[in-house]
Amino acid sequence: QDQLVQSGAEVKKPGASVKVSCKASGYTLTTYGISWLRQAPGQGLDWMGWINPYNTYTKYSQKVQGRVTMTTDTSTSTAYMELRSLSSDDTAMYYCARQGVLAADAFDLWGQGTMVTVSS
Amino acid sequence: QSVLTQPPSASGTPGQRVTISCSGSSSNIGSNIVNWYQHLPGTAPKLLIYSNFQRPSGVPDRFSGSKSGTSASLAISGLQSEDEADYYCATWDDSLNGHVVFGGGTKVTVL
Repeated sequence: QDQLVQSGAEVKKPGASVKVSCKASGYTLTTYGISWLRQAPGQGLDWMGWINPYNTYTKYSQKVQGRVTMTTDTSTSTAYMELRSLSSDDTAMYYCARQGVLAADAFDLWGQGTMVTVSS
Repeated sequence: QSVLTQPPSASGTPGQRVTISCSGSSSNIGSNIVNWYQHLPGTAPKLLIYSNFQRPSGVPDRFSGSKSGTSASLAISGLQSEDEADYYCATWDDSLNGHVVFGGGTKVTVL
């Protein structure tokens, strides 16, 4: 069945960068978009941006624009999200999610989440 | 401060009907479809309703969605213990060059 499997938890120091991976299986990565979202402790869901794996078009939220880069590697069916200049505000569970199957912005398949902790 | 406004909590006894509201504006709910997600602790969110009222395969018909103007709502009828979770509404917002926005989430408790 279709799956998104993310990389493991990360602990980073303030100012560092983190790169989270999201491997798709059961379907062709280039067929649908991939969004990245995060949830800080005790907070709600926050959309970070999305990538079209077919043409690598990206759109980022203004909150992380300038610090985030979303990429894909079609040879390994993997999407990546790199976030730079980390601060404690970036401590959160990060999710990748597939979109465009049922509706343009409906996230029908999610990765299991990657916890990123930013601490000195 | 979330762009979409949801009540922080809702509750009901087994078998009851619970409704969750989601209020937005003309730049988001007023001009785009609404999706709803169920989030159980320790798991990934799950798509519950898409395109305002459509249910993905496998979602029980106890869950229903609707939209009117700049507001949307999710109803859970025949409440069950396994429905205890956080529920989020989401939609596209045409402002700020376009982005996805979420409600703050509603914690549903089954009494």
